[in-house]
Amino acid sequence: DVKVTQSSRYLVKRTGEKVFLECVQDMDHENMFWYRQDPGLGLRLIYFSYDVKMKEKGDIPEGYSVSREKKERFSLILESASTNQTSMYLCASSSVADEQFFGPGTRLTVL
Amino acid sequence: AQRVTQPEKLLSVFKGAPVELKCNYSYSGSPELFWYVQYSRQRLQLLLRHISRESIKGFTADLNKGETSFHLKKPFAQEEDSAMYYCALGAVRGGNKLTFGTGTQLKVEL
Repeated sequence: DVKVTQSSRYLVKRTGEKVFLECVQDMDHENMFWYRQDPGLGLRLIYFSYDVKMKEKGDIPEGYSVSREKKERFSLILESASTNQTSMYLCASSSVADEQFFGPGTRLTVL
Repeated sequence: AQRVTQPEKLLSVFKGAPVELKCNYSYSGSPELFWYVQYSRQRLQLLLRHISRESIKGFTADLNKGETSFHLKKPFAQEEDSAMYYCALGAVRGGNKLTFGTGTQLKVEL
């Protein structure tokens, strides 16, 4: 079974803090993705990576950055958290032409 | 630009009634369409994809390129079908990126 894990299920941070969200997959997938999920807006792609040290912007990259130093790990970084970044964050991974497998999500609240 | 439209935020049906979740897409190339489902307190998972043309949990979806639609259908709704459903569009040459719709919450009532 494909396993995508995220470092935290719930996270509470203060405005201006630097926030790291970690995602690990164990199926040697090339592609990894970060989405945010908001009611009424669906899933929106923040960043994705198709190889180690490679990254591409998604639809809403502003205020976020990513890091992929190892194939199995993809980190999402909020350089200076703001209240409008309060959301559910989903990580996913896939092989080149296959379905995306999702993690359980991290619910981030920024106060 | 890619776009996926799911016009209904909430669809409420009675158990045993037919279900149709609507999905329309906009894409100039050759699309790949998917339906993902998220049950309460579970992670998002693939329900079906158009290229497999198979029925999963009684659900089917046919790609209609003329109407640019990929509606999800089931003849008889079950209580366990209650969930959030997302239609997604993948670009064949898009690095496996997906564009998701806003989702439809299906509620099956007894």
